[in-house]
Amino acid sequence: DAGITQSPRHKVTETGTPVTLRCHQTENHRYMYWYRQDPGHGLRLIHYSYGVKDTDKGEVSDGYSVSRSKTEDFLLTLESATSSQTSVYFCAISPGQGANTEAFFGQGTRLTVV
Amino acid sequence: DAKTTQPTSMDCAEGRAANLPCNHSTISGNEYVYWYRQIHSQGPQYIIHGLKNNETNEMASLIITEDRKSSTLILPHATLRDTAVYYCIVSPYSGAGSYQLTFGKGTKLSVIP
Repeated sequence: DAGITQSPRHKVTETGTPVTLRCHQTENHRYMYWYRQDPGHGLRLIHYSYGVKDTDKGEVSDGYSVSRSKTEDFLLTLESATSSQTSVYFCAISPGQGANTEAFFGQGTRLTVV
Repeated sequence: DAKTTQPTSMDCAEGRAANLPCNHSTISGNEYVYWYRQIHSQGPQYIIHGLKNNETNEMASLIITEDRKSSTLILPHATLRDTAVYYCIVSPYSGAGSYQLTFGKGTKLSVIP
């Protein structure tokens, strides 16, 4: 299994509180991604990173920010959590673009906003 | 707009080959076909990908039609552990979007004992 660790694995938080999810990799892959998965929507890309301090928005980035200060860590922050952000969040890593876009996913973080 | 079309669900008898179809009639010349699967609430797992030639690895075979408008993922001897949602994805191999995988709803494969 690719060395990806997501923390926490489960979290319950209150509306309006900040939340940070962490993705840690030991593969030294350049690309890192955050997806969310909701019933009826499949996986949707929130943000991605193509290098240290290089990040960009995905399909559903509103309400989320990310940071990547070192290769191995990619943080997803919900500045003020809302109930619509209740979801399962997956981190993924990949070595490159194109033919090397094969991605490896973490086990997910189940976030509940009450 | 969805780039791929897959059946919602399929059944396969244990030990038999599972053939999962995918239609990608609008695929561009610079797009790969990727297959992933997701086993009950786990993170998606990469299976295989290809451009225009058929591909085989230890998990599966990928057959891409000559016009590249459709493909079939073949699990040669399905086991109960292959029960999962299978996603067919097209993604460009360079330029904008080549970093991104767009997941549709996939095919839920049930392997029956």
